Amino acid sequence: KAGVTQTPRYLIKTRGQQVTLSCSPISGHRSVSWYQQTPGQGLQFLFEYFSETQRNKGNFPGRFSGRQFSNSRSEMNVSTLELGDSALYLCASSSPGLAGHEQYFGPGTRLTVT
Amino acid sequence: DAKTTQPPSMDCAEGRAANLPCNHSTISGNEYVYWYRQIHSQGPQYIIHGLKNNETNEMASLIITEDRKSSTLILPHATLRDTAVYYCIVRVASTGGFKTIFGAGTRLFVKA
Repeated sequence: KAGVTQTPRYLIKTRGQQVTLSCSPISGHRSVSWYQQTPGQGLQFLFEYFSETQRNKGNFPGRFSGRQFSNSRSEMNVSTLELGDSALYLCASSSPGLAGHEQYFGPGTRLTVT
Repeated sequence: DAKTTQPPSMDCAEGRAANLPCNHSTISGNEYVYWYRQIHSQGPQYIIHGLKNNETNEMASLIITEDRKSSTLILPHATLRDTAVYYCIVRVASTGGFKTIFGAGTRLFVKA
């Protein structure tokens, strides 16, 4: 099975711009979660989508948004970029089950805001 | 989701067992213990998870205390490639969704 893929892998944007990141989950996985990782804050949960619906959300401002498509692929968008948004953005997919479910992470998109 | 406490860093000699502890004293009865690791600049990698019984797979063993307030991840024969940050997480596993809270993890250095 192919793993979780994220595009693009690297991105440089300017303050005030917006950005869209894409995540393709493992085939058959319907849950996609997004995380932001920075040296200062570590890995922080952004949101989780399942069957095109956002089920859970972390403590991030409304500039961070996402969506999921019917094929389970997901995108996240950050508007009005700030320098502090520079981070590694990770997505993870899983197939929720009754006995516990592990998440499989993609390689991440490294966003640099200048 | 319950919080976890891990030592910030540990050393281990190559070929020896690495025992990584995790404290989760506020764990609830329906929360699982999960372990992930992250090698520099890569996405975290799932290692193992368990509810109350000890678990073993091809990568590691997970020992959970009887009161479930702590656990230990064991890498039986550590190699240099096991140098990574190891995260212990507790989380309800259900079909109703979840949000995973990662702590700072333990930075394991495997030395030759």
